[in-house]
Amino acid sequence: DVKVTQSSRYLVKRTGEKVFLECVQDMDHENMFWYRQDPGLGLRLIYFSYDVKMKEKGDIPEGYSVSREKKERFSLILESASTSQTSMYLCASRPEMQGDNQPQHFGDGTRLSIL
Amino acid sequence: AQSVTQLGSHVSVSEGALVLLRCNYSSSVPPYLFWYVQYPNQGLQLLLKYTTGATLVKGINGFEAEFKKSETSFHLTKPSAHMSDAAEYFCAVSPMNRDDKIIFGKGTRLHILP
Repeated sequence: DVKVTQSSRYLVKRTGEKVFLECVQDMDHENMFWYRQDPGLGLRLIYFSYDVKMKEKGDIPEGYSVSREKKERFSLILESASTSQTSMYLCASRPEMQGDNQPQHFGDGTRLSIL
Repeated sequence: AQSVTQLGSHVSVSEGALVLLRCNYSSSVPPYLFWYVQYPNQGLQLLLKYTTGATLVKGINGFEAEFKKSETSFHLTKPSAHMSDAAEYFCAVSPMNRDDKIIFGKGTRLHILP
């Protein structure tokens, strides 16, 4: 089975801090994604990556950046954390295959609180 | 642009009753369709997916969904609800153009009444 591992289940940080959320997948997937999940808003895409060193903005990239130096690892960075970034963050991966009908595989999420 | 609408942010059914969670999509061409489930404090888990071919798709845990092109719908059903089905369910659309992104509905929380 595909395993997507997020480094922390719960994280508490302070306003203005630089925050790193790490995600690792073990199935050699090309595509990786970062979402945030908020009540009533569903999943919103922050950034995604089709390959190493490639990144694309999602629907809500403001205040975030990403890094993908290795294929298996996709990091989300909050440059200067704000209370509005308190949320559940979900990482996902998916193989790149013809037809693009492959489902995404999700990690268990990181619940981030910014005080 | 593609979109996904899930009718009802909360649905309650009695244990043993039929589960019906509604999903409608908008797309100029039939997309790929998915249902995911999220149990408390966990990530999303794939329930089932529709690509091409048979319009009735069977998934895990007794769930199934029917693709109806004429209604642009992909509703999720289960004949008999179990307490363990209490979770949040997400419908998702994946366009055939790889330049587009997977789009998730806002989710439906399913409550099972004893």
